[in-house]
Formats: sequence, structure tokens, C-alpha cells
Amino acid sequence: QKEVEQDPGPLSVPEGAIVSLNCTYSNSAFQYFMWYRQYSRKGPELLMYTYSSGNKEDGRFTAQVDKSSKYISLFIRDSQPSDSATYLCAMRTSGTYKYIFGTGTRLKVLA
Amino acid sequence: DAGVIQSPRHEVTEMGQEVTLRCKPISGHNSLFWYRQTMMRGLELLIYFNNNVPIDDSGMPEDRFSAKMPNASFSTLKIQPSEPRDSAVYFCASSLRMTSGGSSSYNEQFFGPGTRLTVL
Repeated sequence: QKEVEQDPGPLSVPEGAIVSLNCTYSNSAFQYFMWYRQYSRKGPELLMYTYSSGNKEDGRFTAQVDKSSKYISLFIRDSQPSDSATYLCAMRTSGTYKYIFGTGTRLKVLA
Repeated sequence: DAGVIQSPRHEVTEMGQEVTLRCKPISGHNSLFWYRQTMMRGLELLIYFNNNVPIDDSGMPEDRFSAKMPNASFSTLKIQPSEPRDSAVYFCASSLRMTSGGSSSYNEQFFGPGTRLTVL
């Protein structure tokens, strides 16, 4: 079993839909949780960076961490075709530089 | 502000040739990471530098791979000799590590655009 599991998709939604992207993990010591967006043939771009449990909102994006369930989510409201990309979750324990990445979920928002 | 800069963006070479990938981290960052991304294995950490010193090279696949960081603004990843299975996208990332009272905290990593390597 991988430390971080992420459904590879692809996930296709109509423009304006609310998108939910998720990762599960097995290491209860993870404290820092990140979401990266990666457009085709580009580098990963940091979207959200959260510590421990709870929600964090930035514009149309909300990151949610549920440490009791070992489950993190990224919600995208009013999705746009420009949101079409691969979304990678990443996480690490405190005091370490090592990120554990999910394999990414490919999202396609249809106009 | 300029982000992480990588060159070349694309490299096509023949098996057995030497390949050198280059990276300029974000100014002020003291940690640098080299990653490899493939469809099969996703993003894998190859090597981590802090203050220009290699701290963890456990992800370097084999002796054909080497990395250097001669100064705070430049790093190279070299593959010699290259093989077709080295074909992948190679990313450089940088971040700021802060130390206080003997403990370290690591801020988020920022990635470069990557170098797409094809070994024929």
C-alpha cells in the first residue's frame, strides 16, 4: 500500500461545477499538506499549503484536512476550463524536507 | 520575481551520451531539490541540497547520476552515460529552510518548469 493514495482520474466536469479532489494517507505523523496544480508540460505550481487539521480558503479553492480519517480534500468552486490540469497532493512530517506525493488526479473542465 | 529557472527545457540525446541539466533556485532559498517525474512512478526525489551541501542522495538511481551545487545560485544534474530508461521530466525545486534552537523548519517548495529528457 502506498503512503499516499490519489485517484488518477480523469475527472471531467462541466464549467461552473464544484470539484472535489481527494487524497488518503496512511502515516498519522504527516503534519503539512500541500496541493499542487500541474498544467501539461509545466512544473507543479503550489496552490495550497496547510498545517495540521482544518480548512483553508483562497479564492475559489478550499483545502480541507481531516487527520482523524487521514483524508485531505481540495474543493474548487465555479470551476473554469482554465482549471483543467493535474492536481497533486503532497504531505510531510514535521521537521523533514521529504514530501510524499500522490500520483495526481487529472481534471478536465468542459466549457 | 523570477521563479526557479531550468535549462534546457527539452533535451534529446542518444544512449551513452552525457547529459547535463541546470537549475537556478529562487534567490534567498537555501534548499534545493532535484526530482524526476514519470507516468509510472510519479514524482521521485533524487537529491536534496542545503546550503550547497548534498544532504540526501538516497534517491539517485545509480552511479551514472551525479549532482553538484557549486554555489547558492546554481546546480547541475548530470547523467553519464545516459540510457533510454532515464527518459523523464526532471524538476528542480527550491525552498527556505529555517533553523532555530537546534530544530529546523521547512517552508514550501517551488518548482521549476522542468527539463524533458528523451534518450534514444
